[in-house]
Amino acid sequence: EAGVAQSPRYKIIEKRQSVAFWCNPISGHATLYWYQQILGQGPKLLIQFQNNGVVDDSQLPKDRFSAERLKGVDSTLKIQPAKLEDSAVYLCASSAGTGANTGELFFGEGSRLTVL
Amino acid sequence: GDSVTQMEGPVTLSEEAFLTINCTYTATGYPSLFWYVQYPGEGLQLLLKATKADDKGSNKGFEATYRKETTSFHLEKGSVQVSDSAVYFCALRYGGATNKLIFGTGTLLAVQP
Repeated sequence: EAGVAQSPRYKIIEKRQSVAFWCNPISGHATLYWYQQILGQGPKLLIQFQNNGVVDDSQLPKDRFSAERLKGVDSTLKIQPAKLEDSAVYLCASSAGTGANTGELFFGEGSRLTVL
Repeated sequence: GDSVTQMEGPVTLSEEAFLTINCTYTATGYPSLFWYVQYPGEGLQLLLKATKADDKGSNKGFEATYRKETTSFHLEKGSVQVSDSAVYFCALRYGGATNKLIFGTGTLLAVQP
């Protein structure tokens, strides 16, 4: 079974530029998450989708971050314009949908962003 | 708000040594508790979990017991191997029956042969 796929693995941009990250969850997983992991900190939830609807985006900085999951499968996270403090690893995770709230999330390897 | 605190690393041990990584939590109600592990070059993966007080989660020789009285969920292993070298994250699930996790900062474990 294929795992969670993310791209690109690494990205270096200058501040005020834009960047987009892509995630393809495990086939059949209804729930998709984007986490931000800043160096030395634990992952922090940015946004959670259930199919193509947003369940929780309370910690997403909406002035610069956006995310979509148009067809309920893959997802894109965009940052525009980027700030220095956005340097982090962006983790995508997925889990089975309703009735399987076991706490088990399946994570991709992450996309490391460096903002100069 | 809810939070997780775990011991800072790195933790450096010799092979076959005993491992403890401390984790305490602050939460309203009774959260479920988890340990996730991240091996070098890989994504986080669930190691073990416990859903109620006094439950013991176990996997791959690792154990952790949900202690409500001390709000703790310490990770232990009796004899570590080089292959256990990884970053370990303690986490709690909040918000009722959802999969929203709050993670600790992670503890790097390095096991030397």
